Amino acid sequence: DIQMTQSPPSVSASIGDRVTITCRASQGIGDRLAWYQQKSGKAPVLIYVASSLQSGVPSRFSGSGSGTDFTLTISSLQPEDFATYYCQQSESFPQTFGQGTKVEIK
Amino acid sequence: QVQLVESGGGEVQPGRSLRLSCAASGFTFSNFGMHWVRQAPGKGLEWVAVIWYDASNQHYADSVKGRFTISRDNSRNTLHLQMNSLRAEDTAVYYCARRSGIVIDMWGQGTMVTVSS
Repeated sequence: DIQMTQSPPSVSASIGDRVTITCRASQGIGDRLAWYQQKSGKAPVLIYVASSLQSGVPSRFSGSGSGTDFTLTISSLQPEDFATYYCQQSESFPQTFGQGTKVEIK
Repeated sequence: QVQLVESGGGEVQPGRSLRLSCAASGFTFSNFGMHWVRQAPGKGLEWVAVIWYDASNQHYADSVKGRFTISRDNSRNTLHLQMNSLRAEDTAVYYCARRSGIVIDMWGQGTMVTVSS
């Protein structure tokens, strides 16, 4: 199975800060990676696939990477961005998730 | 509108069975593969199972293989998860989710399953 390792597990940041979350795969997955945002008590929402921002997602979100190392960056943190973010690989089954990164208010 | 609505969750004793359902609406259900993903209380997301759009193929997480069965009824726009031999560690919110290309592009609101004596 492919293991997905996210870092950091949590980050405390202020409005307007730049936040970067990393996701590392235990083996190469090409660009078969997605990022999801989950707010407390709600279902996850797809925000990024490989290098593509999903429709309706603010442009302050950006993603990059291929192979084993990926990043999700929020260029200027907004109040609605406080949530937990998960990466997921779709290179092979089981389609494993990272353990999540919680973005909290400083 | 486009939505997925899960049902069938509840409290069940260890070793017993439960069947979850997911009703799809607002899109052509038979064109999409479907997943089940779960989330234990206070924990992260765990992928559980997937079924192809035509039910020709299924895959399972090792943690549920041999105990859970994913199925679908395209005539009724419904996805199922039959869960047997339930364990305390199966306690979670279970989400059904739509497979689009390589990703999950749509999620239900989830149904809670509690396995407890």
